[in-house]
Parts: sequence; C-alpha cells; structure tokens
Amino acid sequence: DIQMTQSPSSLSASVGDRVTITCRASQSISSYLNWYQQKPGKAPKLLIYAASSLQSGVPSRFSGSGSGTDFTLTISSLQPEDFATYYCQQSYGRSLTFGGGTKVEIK
Amino acid sequence: QVQLVQSGAEVKKPGASVKVSCKASGYTFTSYDINWVRQATGQGLEWMGWMNPNSGNTGYAQKFQGRVTMTRNTSISTAYMELSSLRSEDTAVYYCARVYVHSGYDRLDYWGQGTLVTVSS
Repeated sequence: DIQMTQSPSSLSASVGDRVTITCRASQSISSYLNWYQQKPGKAPKLLIYAASSLQSGVPSRFSGSGSGTDFTLTISSLQPEDFATYYCQQSYGRSLTFGGGTKVEIK
Repeated sequence: QVQLVQSGAEVKKPGASVKVSCKASGYTFTSYDINWVRQATGQGLEWMGWMNPNSGNTGYAQKFQGRVTMTRNTSISTAYMELSSLRSEDTAVYYCARVYVHSGYDRLDYWGQGTLVTVSS
C-alpha cells in the first residue's frame, strides 16, 4: 500500500498568516492527490483535487501544488473558519490512503 | 442537490455485526462508485473499500478483507456496509462518500453525515 505522511501533525497560527502543510507519498503518485478539510463533528470536505485543482465553491486562498511524491497545501491568508484538521489522500490506485492529518489551531 | 444520508447510531456487542446504510439522492446512483471511510474518536481517516453500484463490484482494504461486505439496492439508491466480528477497536464514525471521476482523476466529492458505531459489552 502507498503510505502518506503529512507534516506537521499540528500547527498554531494567527488570522492572516500564510500556512503551508506538506504531504509525502511513499512512491510516485503523479498528481493523484486530494486535500480535505474536517471540522469537529463534521464529515470531511473536499478542497483540492488532482494536486492543484480547486473544488467548486472553495475559496481561492486555498491552493495545492506538487507531483510525484511531494505535495503542498497552502492557505494564503488564514481565516477564522479555516481552523480545522486537513488530510491529504492519494487516489493512484483503487486502494486509497489518507495522511495522518494536520490540525491547524489558533495561536 | 447531491445528498448521502446515513442510518443512525448503533451500539453492538463484541462479536456481533453491524450494517450501515447510505441513501443517495440528487444524482444517478449507479453512475458513481461509493467508498466507505471510518474514523475512530480523535484519530485520522481510514479507507475501508469501494463499491460500484452499477455492477456490484467491490474492493476492500486488506485490513478488512473477510470481515466487510459492501452491497447495494439500486431500486432505492442505497448502499450498505456490513462489518462482522466486531471488536472494541471498531468503535468509530463510519462515512460513505461518492467518487467523482474527471479526466482520469477521482476524488471523494460528497460525504454522508457519518454513523457512530459503538462496540461495547
């Protein structure tokens, strides 16, 4: 199975900060990488698909980049509603795997 | 609008089975795969498997092989996930999610609200 490793596991940031989360795959997955946001008690929400494409309705402050094994999710200016946990997920094969998550907390 | 509505919370004893339903609306049920993902309290997301509602074909994560069965009833646009031989470690919220494929890239674009399954003696 393809392993997905996210870093950091948590971070503290202030409103307006630029935030970057990384995700590394155990083998090359081309651009088969999605990002999700999850708030407590809620289902995950799709933010980015195919590594860099913004899902409809998602604010443009979210962006994704990378290919192969290394990927990045960037929030250009953190808003109060962005405090949540973020997960990467590979869709290279039929067996999906998620990263361990990155919790973004208020500084 | 696309909706996936799951069945309510369950409490089961160790060794029992649980069957969670996921009713789809707002789109053609047989046109999109359904995946199941679970999340233990305070933990990350764990993929369990996929089902093609049109063919009934399935694929399961190795961890759950032999214990999980994914089925569907196309007449009522509902997918099911049954997990057997439950143990305390299976206590989690179980989610169904629709797979959207475009230009060869797939993603989980709509999710159910989640079903809490508690395994306790």
